[in-house]
Amino acid sequence: QSVLTQPPSASGTPGQRVNISCSGGSSNIGSNPVNWYQQLPGTAPKLLIYNNNQRPSGVPDRFSGSKSGTSASLAISGLQSEDEADYYCAAWDDSLNGPHWVFGGGTKLTVL
Amino acid sequence: EVQLVESGGGLVQPGGSLRLSCRASGFTFRSYEMNWVRQAPGKGLEWVSYISSTSSVIYYTDSVKGRFSISRDNAKNSLYLQLYSLRAEDTAVYYCAREVFSSSPQGLDYWGQGTLVTVSS
Repeated sequence: QSVLTQPPSASGTPGQRVNISCSGGSSNIGSNPVNWYQQLPGTAPKLLIYNNNQRPSGVPDRFSGSKSGTSASLAISGLQSEDEADYYCAAWDDSLNGPHWVFGGGTKLTVL
Repeated sequence: EVQLVESGGGLVQPGGSLRLSCRASGFTFRSYEMNWVRQAPGKGLEWVSYISSTSSVIYYTDSVKGRFSISRDNAKNSLYLQLYSLRAEDTAVYYCAREVFSSSPQGLDYWGQGTLVTVSS
């Protein structure tokens, strides 16, 4: 069971806006920036959002991130067929047992 | 162009050992913190280990403590993960990943293509 909680699936039609949620706790999302990754089938994960809402160079502005308290959200507007992928949220966890990265279980996005 | 290229994966029997390597290029490797992240077949991402730029700070996920060892050679632009006492549940694609250059953990901005470790008799 993942430390961060995401819905297992999401879907939308081309052009729609989709939101993917990510819920954590005080030691991870509540204390540290959230990042989001996109993983296309058979490929390595790609950083989509870092520091809650920053996009690396080359990531379209259709992708946006937000955070409030111990929850975060990834929004994809103007949905395109190539957005069909698995999406993971992550955050650093300041656990007393030893700091570490924690990931959500992933959300499979289907473009209908 | 930033590149991370893993190698060293393969089929190993339970209880066996393996050494994974990650060769970095296109950036000043010695300045960046690095991580290993794994993904079991059909499953999600699981962080495995972290090493600071100077190797002074190292962390592991609980399930690999005492069995895996992370290290780096900044002169060779290389990151390593030594795997001992392997179990079936260690079967996964292992990715090396670079941390965003920052004073605090903000994300993993570059990933290698991954190397598959299969633990089976």
